Amino acid sequence: DTGVSQDPRHKITKRGQNVTFRCDPISEHNRLYWYRQTLGQGPEFLTYFQNEAQLEKSRLLSDRFSAERPKGSFSTLEIQRTEQGDSAMYLCASSLLRGSNTEAFFGQGTRLTVV
Amino acid sequence: TQLLEQSPQFLSIQEGENLTVYCNSSSVFSSLQWYRQEPGEGPVLLVTVVTGGEVKKLKRLTFQFGDARKDSSLHITAAQPGDTGLYLCAGWGYQKVTFGTGTKLQVIP
Repeated sequence: DTGVSQDPRHKITKRGQNVTFRCDPISEHNRLYWYRQTLGQGPEFLTYFQNEAQLEKSRLLSDRFSAERPKGSFSTLEIQRTEQGDSAMYLCASSLLRGSNTEAFFGQGTRLTVV
Repeated sequence: TQLLEQSPQFLSIQEGENLTVYCNSSSVFSSLQWYRQEPGEGPVLLVTVVTGGEVKKLKRLTFQFGDARKDSSLHITAAQPGDTGLYLCAGWGYQKVTFGTGTKLQVIP
C-alpha cells in the first residue's frame, strides 16, 4: 500500500501562471478530497469526489479553481491565473465509503508558492 | 457549517510534563479523528473514535469522545520532544471531514 501520493511536492510559480496538481488516492478508495492549508491553520475543505462525480465544492473554490477525477482514480486540481493569496499547502485525502464511519488518509501535500 | 474549536492554540511545555488538548463543537459527529502533522507534511491519522464516551489509548496518548459526540480530548502523558507538532481534530459529518483550528505543541528537551 503506497498510500495517497501527490505530485509535485513543491511548486513555485509566477503570479498569473496556471498550475496543476495531481493526486493518486489509495487504490480501493472511492472518495477523494482536496483541502487547502495555510501556515499554522487547520486544513480547509475545497471539494470532494465520489468515484468520478464531484459532489460538493466549497465557496473557497473560486472560478479560477477546477478539479477533475475523470476515471474515478487519480484527480487533478488546476488553478488558473494564480494570485499570491493562492500560496498554501494543497492536501489530498482519500477514503472508502463504508456506512457512516470512515477514515480519511492524507497525502504529503503540494506546497504552492506564488511569487 | 460545522465548526470545531481546539484549545489551546499553542502549547509549549518541558519534556516529561502532561498535557490535554480539547476539541469542541456545537454539532454532533458520527465519528471524530485526531491527526498529527509535522511542518511540510500531510496530517497523519492517530485514532478514530466512534462511540459516545469512548476512550482509546495509543501508548502515551489517551483519546476520549464526549458522551454526546460533540467534543473530544487528547491527553499526552510524559511528553517527549518527538511529540512536537500540530495536532488536529477532525469530525465526520455531511459526507466530509471538517478540521479543527489545530493545537501547535512544542516539547522542549
